[in-house]
Amino acid sequence: GAGVSQSPSNKVTEKGKDVELRCDPISGHTALYWYRQSLGQGLEFLIYFQGNSAPDKSGLPSDRFSAERTGGSVSTLTIQRTQQEDSAVYLCASSALPPMRQPLVLNTEAFFGQGTRLTVV
Amino acid sequence: GQQVMQIPQYQHVQEGEDFTTYCNSSTTLSNIQWYKQRPGGHPVFLIQLVKSGEVKKQKRLTFQFGEAKKNSSLHITATQTTDVGTYFCAGSTSGTYKYIFGTGTRLKVLA
Repeated sequence: GAGVSQSPSNKVTEKGKDVELRCDPISGHTALYWYRQSLGQGLEFLIYFQGNSAPDKSGLPSDRFSAERTGGSVSTLTIQRTQQEDSAVYLCASSALPPMRQPLVLNTEAFFGQGTRLTVV
Repeated sequence: GQQVMQIPQYQHVQEGEDFTTYCNSSTTLSNIQWYKQRPGGHPVFLIQLVKSGEVKKQKRLTFQFGEAKKNSSLHITATQTTDVGTYFCAGSTSGTYKYIFGTGTRLKVLA
């Protein structure tokens, strides 16, 4: 598609329920990132994918959070047994990255989606 | 773990005044990026710096990467109301494409 697409744009869920957030990256982008942004705060790194594998999952807040990416394209972020502190905007970004062994000579800018605003009540 | 701090957290300026935000990393970076997020919007890429001591300009915006590749700055000359938003730096270390975002500087421009 033309840009990074996230769905749903808004999600209100009851505490204890599971939620799935979806991200459609820009076609051909090898890297995909998930960040979380609380109101008026910065971006908290959650996880990133290079292709279908996740080299770094260190940002996932707890084992209730998981993410997967299939076919090097769509990614889903799943939050199990949601808690009120999970309320935030979840941002997805994609980037066309060169292989790690190649010098960084091109911009590796990340293109962000509009985000999913998650509210846990 | 890697931390990226920005100062100031907030800045209010009169239209026409200059503005600078500073970004400091706890670890040496391989490259740094700058993003702008308008109120209610998502971050939008501005620029990427790779080389030690690098300076890049975009119209009224000047970006600098420190010699030690641990700090960076964004300077806006003669601010306009369209400059309103939060400016984030994001850095990655060698061997990874994991980008850690700074805490951000929220700029308000008074007309």
